[in-house]
Amino acid sequence: GAVVSQHPSRVICKSGTSVKIECRSLDFQATTMFWYRQFPKQSLMLMATSNEGSKATYEQGVEKDKFLINHASLTLSTLTVTSAHPEDSSFYICSATGTPYEQYFGPGTRLTVT
Amino acid sequence: AQTVTQSQPEMSVQEAETVTLSCTYDTSENNYYLFWYKQPPSRQMILVIRQEAYKQQNATENRFSVNFQKAAKSFSLKISDSQLGDTAMYFCAFMISNAGNNRKLIWGLGTSLAVNP
Repeated sequence: GAVVSQHPSRVICKSGTSVKIECRSLDFQATTMFWYRQFPKQSLMLMATSNEGSKATYEQGVEKDKFLINHASLTLSTLTVTSAHPEDSSFYICSATGTPYEQYFGPGTRLTVT
Repeated sequence: AQTVTQSQPEMSVQEAETVTLSCTYDTSENNYYLFWYKQPPSRQMILVIRQEAYKQQNATENRFSVNFQKAAKSFSLKISDSQLGDTAMYFCAFMISNAGNNRKLIWGLGTSLAVNP
């Protein structure tokens, strides 16, 4: 149980375009989802916390107009990288909370902006 | 502010041997959870073990066990009978237990563990 999926697993887009990443909890309802960014050989950097039906809470330094997060249902949250630039290339990971203390992680999405 | 420190960026161990990864944390909270996550080359984050701060007994999951020292704010992970599949990045993480919807994890920088044949 407690499976989180992400789609796509990898995406390449041209600079200036937007790309959407989906995060789904497949067998449980997730009131809270988290979006992380991870650079190679580094730790996870929390970008934002997403609660179903309300606006996301962004961490300091994360541009909310660039990284749009929508948590429209208890099983789906989306991250849209708008006007992507090469520096946005990274590995993006989502997680979802089932129990009060446990986060279940998606497999990640590798974004490459050319 | 809560912080998590992993002082060993890289470690290696021979197959079948035992290795201990260190983690210290800082918080003024009394109720919290501590976690060890494993991230293999696939980059899928996998929960290894969890410890509730109110429990004195150290958590154990098969070959994985922790040494939780609350007063010292230390939470080390011991891997016994290391296997090649244990090769991964290991992250120590911390969560306040009464944070409501803001149950975010505070992460250490990770320890890269290589299990050698």
